[in-house]
Amino acid sequence: GENVEQHPSTLSVQEGDSAVIKCTYSDSASNYFPWYKQELGKRPQLIIDIRSNVGEKKDQRIAVTLNKTAKHFSLHITETQPEDSAVYFCAADKAAGNKLTFGGGTRVLVKP
Amino acid sequence: SQTIHQWPATLVQPVGSPLSLECTVEGTSNPNLYWYRQAAGRGLQLLFYSVGIGQISSEVPQNLSASRPQDRQFILSSKKLLLSDSGFYLCAWRGPVLTGTEAFFGQGTRLTVV
Repeated sequence: GENVEQHPSTLSVQEGDSAVIKCTYSDSASNYFPWYKQELGKRPQLIIDIRSNVGEKKDQRIAVTLNKTAKHFSLHITETQPEDSAVYFCAADKAAGNKLTFGGGTRVLVKP
Repeated sequence: SQTIHQWPATLVQPVGSPLSLECTVEGTSNPNLYWYRQAAGRGLQLLFYSVGIGQISSEVPQNLSASRPQDRQFILSSKKLLLSDSGFYLCAWRGPVLTGTEAFFGQGTRLTVV
């Protein structure tokens, strides 16, 4: 089955700096890669996703890049703000898979 | 609009007691339904998923089981809880398509086995 590895497990950045989280996946058939944000005590919520026919996608201060050959994808947060502090999860899915396999999560702390 | 309800929000149960967590979805038909567990400070572990009534796929062998008695109802059960069953349990649903749809999570149940 699919295996998703996520690094780092914790990330501390100064407000205004950039944060980068990286994930690798094992199943070359995976073609959908979402990112979820989970604030303390709350449910995970989708912040951005990318499909395998696209190499990069941006939404304001967040962007995701995908390298299908290397089977890794990354989340980039620019101009970080205190409200970006949360746990971020990457995930991978494939056509007809119906499953959504998550990485281990990255706890991001933005220091003011 | 679609909503997902999960209860209870918190639960403290003794070792060896049974468990029943319920999740219901409103505003959609034939959703894919999921149970995830999140141990403290850890990732989201997929426990079970279902693509239809009575269809359950198990991802992790353990003393938990799942059932889907109705289209929009998903139940997580155990006959005898273990200490290691403690965690944050999340139910989620996705649209009835093959892939690439957003997962919507319930509020979660924080289970403490004592």
